[in-house]
Amino acid sequence: GEDVEQSLFLSVREGDSSVINCTYTDSSSTYLYWYKQEPGAGLQLLTYIFSNMDMKQDQRLTVLLNKKDKHLSLRIADTQTGDSAIYFCAESNTNAGKSTFGDGTTLTVKP
Amino acid sequence: DGGITQSPKYLFRKEGQNVTLSCEQNLNHDAMYWYRQDPGQGLRLIYYSQIVNDFQKGDIAEGYSVSREKKESFPLTVTSAQKNPTAFYLCASSVLAGGTYNEQFFGPGTRLTVL
Repeated sequence: GEDVEQSLFLSVREGDSSVINCTYTDSSSTYLYWYKQEPGAGLQLLTYIFSNMDMKQDQRLTVLLNKKDKHLSLRIADTQTGDSAIYFCAESNTNAGKSTFGDGTTLTVKP
Repeated sequence: DGGITQSPKYLFRKEGQNVTLSCEQNLNHDAMYWYRQDPGQGLRLIYYSQIVNDFQKGDIAEGYSVSREKKESFPLTVTSAQKNPTAFYLCASSVLAGGTYNEQFFGPGTRLTVL
């Protein structure tokens, strides 16, 4: 079945850039997503990328997609303490009415 | 305001009791989902429904049951057969039952503690 993997933890200093990485196995993935979860809350979509794109930028967020290597990354520029959260990578494809989520990367931003 | 609601936020039950978690959406979404999240872990799909009166098992359906009698409602029952029910439960919905774009809108979650 589909699998999405992420590293579990990332710690950065305030003002630095954060890069969160994700790999996936499903070659038929058509959309890939990044969600953010704050403590005790549900997930919220941060951004997504269509599989025929290799980059998408949205203010401080940059998503890079390497479809050949099935690798997705999320870069957060000028990381702030409010960016501390769990970030989930997810993918969906034509065969499913659902997404497959990674286990989440806990980002800690130190002042 | 359109959105997805879950109630209650915190729920305590004694071991051996069934408990039903509520999930309601007014987004007119066809698809709805239930996930379980354990501390420090990712989301695991319990059940999902792509259309009214139909639902499919996810990866960890044992010990859970659902119904989808109305488009806006997808309640989850945690039965006494679920061996370790204490967890954070998240409900979500998405626009299309099929298709490829599957942005999911999440509720605030219910934290269930079984004593």
